[in-house]
Order: sequence, then C-alpha cells, then structure tokens
Amino acid sequence: DAGVTQSPTHLIKTRGQQVTLRCSPISGHKSVSWYQQVLGQGPQFIFQYYEKEERGRGNFPDRFSARQFPNYSSELNVNALLLGDSALYLCASSLAGGPDTQYFGPGTRLTVL
Amino acid sequence: GQNIDQPTEMTATEGAIVQINCTYQTSGFNGLFWYQQHAGEAPTFLSYNVLDGLEEKGRFSSFLSRSKGYSYLLLKELQMKDSASYLCAVETGANNLFFGTGTRLTVIP
Repeated sequence: DAGVTQSPTHLIKTRGQQVTLRCSPISGHKSVSWYQQVLGQGPQFIFQYYEKEERGRGNFPDRFSARQFPNYSSELNVNALLLGDSALYLCASSLAGGPDTQYFGPGTRLTVL
Repeated sequence: GQNIDQPTEMTATEGAIVQINCTYQTSGFNGLFWYQQHAGEAPTFLSYNVLDGLEEKGRFSSFLSRSKGYSYLLLKELQMKDSASYLCAVETGANNLFFGTGTRLTVIP
C-alpha cells in the first residue's frame, strides 16, 4: 500500500507570492495534519483536519490556511510568503480524529527568496 | 508554556546500547511518541506510550513515567544506520503533536 504522498517535492518562491502544497493520506485514513519543520528544529503543528472539518490549529498567522477534500486529500495554502516560511512542510495521516499514530509523508521543501 | 527537553547530540559505538532521555511539560497529554528522522527525510514512527512502563519492539524500547513527565528511548545493538535524529513528541490534543527539537545520534565504528 502506498504511504502518505506529497507534492511538489521542492518549491522555490519569492517573497509575497502564494503557494499551495498537496497531500494524499494513506488509503483508509481520514485525518490529515500539517507541520512545519525549520532546519534543526522539530516539526511544529499547523492544522489538523478530520472528515473535511478543521479540528485543530497551531500558532500560525492567518496567511496559512488548509482544507480537506471528500477523498480525504488535503491542501495547505500560504499567502504573502515571507523568508521565514522557508521550511520542510510535512503532512501526516492517521485513521481517526482522536489520539492515534500519525504517519508522515516525505514533505515539501519550500524555499522563499 | 509547553516544553520538551532532549539532549541535542549524542555519540555511541556500533553494537552498544544508548538511552535518549526526554522530559516534558505540556498543557495536555494523550500519549508520547518517538520518531526517527534521517537527514532530509520525513519522521518515521518508532513507538507510542500512553501508560506508564516499558514498551519493547525489537532493538528499540521506550519508557514512560507520566507522574515525572519523563520518557526515554533505548536502542540496543546499535548499527551505523541508526545514525539519525530522534524526536520525542507529546500528543497534546487529537492528532496534535508537540515535538522536541530532537537528539542527533551519531553511531561510530
């Protein structure tokens, strides 16, 4: 079975632009969470979606938004990019919306110039 | 505030045993996870503790004491491929993981 997939793998943008990152969870998983990992740090929680509804939000500005589709895939959008948004963006999926093991995708490496 | 403390770096010899400690103070606790992350790759699930005690899985074991806010990951019979960062994470809410900064383990011959 395929694991969590993310696209694109790498992305280069300039300040002020907008970006959309995509994630497909493991088949059968209904929950998707997004994390930002800056180099040398642990991942930081951004959003969690379950059954197409937002169930959790981390301490990120409103420039960050996300959504989940009927097939449980998800998109993370970041507007008005800043240099500090350069990071590895990780998507994790789990079976349910409650406490559960999360499995991570390979991530999207975003570089903002 | 929330905080997870782990040593920044550790070095151990191939074939040896290493223990990576993690102490935490969080606003919620649904369980504690350990993930392995090789450079440039995604975190890979290693273990999950929700009750006090030791969970053993092959060469890897994880221990939890909720009253002390303490966990450790024990790696036995170290191999060169175990060189990686090890992330301690507390599930503070449903599918909301609060991560430490990770411990970079280097295994030397």
